[in-house]
Amino acid sequence: GAVVSQHPSRVICKSGTSVKIECRSLDFQATTMFWYRQFPKQSLMLMATSNEGSKATYEQGVEKDKFLINHASLTLSTLTVTSAHPEDSSFYICSASRTGGETQYFGPGTRLLVL
Amino acid sequence: AQSVTQLGSHVSVSEGALVLLRCNYSSSVPPYLFWYVQYPNQGLQLLLKYTTGATLVKGINGFEAEFKKSETSFHLTKPSAHMSDAAEYFCAVSHRNQAGTALIFGKGTTLSVSS
Repeated sequence: GAVVSQHPSRVICKSGTSVKIECRSLDFQATTMFWYRQFPKQSLMLMATSNEGSKATYEQGVEKDKFLINHASLTLSTLTVTSAHPEDSSFYICSASRTGGETQYFGPGTRLLVL
Repeated sequence: AQSVTQLGSHVSVSEGALVLLRCNYSSSVPPYLFWYVQYPNQGLQLLLKYTTGATLVKGINGFEAEFKKSETSFHLTKPSAHMSDAAEYFCAVSHRNQAGTALIFGKGTTLSVSS
């Protein structure tokens, strides 16, 4: 199979702090990883696409200085929400695809609550 | 640009009844199409996908979908609903950007199954 994990699954933080979310492909090498955001009862919105060893490509309207993405290896990508505010509270989901593959495998998601 | 429209934000069926979830897409290139299922507070699980070849695609849990180019549709069906099918279903089309191939999701359809 193709398993993607995320850590933590749930995080609560104070406004102004930074939070790091990890996304790992456990049994395959992921050249490309994607970060999505999902608000309650809504669809997933693509935030950024990251390729191992290069800068992430952000979607229009996503602040790259606020949502820092690092894809340091073929099995790990991290999303850091800097200076988090209550409006950043959301469900963040990552996905990964194999080299040349069209199918994305999704992590279980991370629920962020900023107080 | 690609887009996905899911008709009906909420579908209710009785256990044993036919399930039909509608999806229409817009794409300037031959599309890759996907159906994912999401259970509460979880990530997305791939049900099935269409890339090329046979237009009737069979997936997991008894679901299938048919790609109809003339109708720009990719509706999801299951002959007999089970209580465990109650979940959120997302149709998606592949979207190639500078960095890779991400997914554009529809708004989702909540499937309720009653006994």
